[in-house]
Amino acid sequence: GEDVEQSLFLSVREGDSSVINCTYTDSSSTYLYWYKQEPGAGLQLLTYIFSNMDMKQDQRLTVLLNKKDKHLSLRIADTQTGDSAIYFCAGSNSGYALNFGKGTSLLVTP
Amino acid sequence: NAGVTQTPKFQVLKTGQSMTLQCAQDMNHNSMYWYRQDPGMGLRLIYYSASEGTTDKGEVPNGYNVSRLNKREFSLRLESAAPSQTSVYFCASSDSSYAGLAFFGQGTRLTVV
Repeated sequence: GEDVEQSLFLSVREGDSSVINCTYTDSSSTYLYWYKQEPGAGLQLLTYIFSNMDMKQDQRLTVLLNKKDKHLSLRIADTQTGDSAIYFCAGSNSGYALNFGKGTSLLVTP
Repeated sequence: NAGVTQTPKFQVLKTGQSMTLQCAQDMNHNSMYWYRQDPGMGLRLIYYSASEGTTDKGEVPNGYNVSRLNKREFSLRLESAAPSQTSVYFCASSDSSYAGLAFFGQGTRLTVV
């Protein structure tokens, strides 16, 4: 397995960009994922990136992968109050084993 | 669209009692998973089923059993509940061997007293 570390809390103003960071220990992590969890709900897959990519953009979401530093980030452009949630980073180096970080609570203030 | 449905949503058990958490998916997915989420923690895999008829242990299988009843349903059983099993349990399913490309249920909040 591997360790996945995230900062626990981030607060941003509505309209600003949010950047949530994640580091992982296993350099053989091939698949990296970002999930969103709203209060009382299950996890929702937001986006993912494979290790042969450096960047992936999907509307307001940009994922950056620095394989050398084993660092993954999720940027949310024009953050809205509806983006307030817990964001989990997860990595996998094999099909069925996912290692989750502890989650970053994002608070968006008006 | 129902997606992944878990029952019950909430449950309180006494130590030593048994119960089964039910999960069903209507997306014709091959793979299904059970995770637990503890406060301040990420999800940890309890068991998974890569396909109908197969089950395998995950990171924290002790105290649990599973049954892949058919392609749609994957149940999690606690034979003798312990306070350490107080947690939120999530079922998930995926159409591929990539566990991360999964859809999650809404969770079952279990308290063992």
